[in-house]
Amino acid sequence: SQQGEEDPQALSIQEGENATMNCSYKTSINNLQWYRQNSGRGLVHLILIRSNEREKHSGRLRVTLDTSKKSSSLLITASRAADTASYFCARRAGGTSYGKLTFGQGTILTVHP
Amino acid sequence: DARVTQTPRHKVTEMGQEVTMRCQPILGHNTVFWYRQTMMQGLELLAYFRNRAPLDDSGMPKDRFSAEMPDATLATLKIQPSEPRDSAVYFCASGKSGGEETQYFGPGTRLLVL
Repeated sequence: SQQGEEDPQALSIQEGENATMNCSYKTSINNLQWYRQNSGRGLVHLILIRSNEREKHSGRLRVTLDTSKKSSSLLITASRAADTASYFCARRAGGTSYGKLTFGQGTILTVHP
Repeated sequence: DARVTQTPRHKVTEMGQEVTMRCQPILGHNTVFWYRQTMMQGLELLAYFRNRAPLDDSGMPKDRFSAEMPDATLATLKIQPSEPRDSAVYFCASGKSGGEETQYFGPGTRLLVL
């Protein structure tokens, strides 16, 4: 079973709009990562944010982390049809060794041209 | 362009048969992960290795699953005997401990047990 939740479960937007996905968790974390999965493919790492960071940017991606609320959000700005995929947050719990990630159930993003 | 490779990409087998999945991690990566993805359970960590030694296999059904790293370039996941509930996509991922914590995923093995 998965720890925490992602919402929404599915998101449908038009090209050019922004997409925001949220991830909540229950225990303290060392870091939180976001991954993308295109249909029928493996996951691809997007961005990592550490527990002592509040915001991080990478191209059109912006990730925020609020450890007091145990939540993170991923914002994709100016979305494109190619951004259509499932997006997963993955937490490395505090005190665990490198690599032990717990994945959320994911948000399915559809961007219409 | 370094990638994790997995074979086979698809496998259809009958209940009771042995299934072996193979993974070649990215050269230089010392950590290998095995995940299982299903619609119901999502992505679950089955086992992972560092420097070929198993670190954690608590997510793996011990009675029928086994994972090994015969050498640094090959990881295997075996199911014996297979059951219909094992039908899933099995992903291998590799990474390099001590640096960034990115995991690089292979394309997966889609397993169907009839």
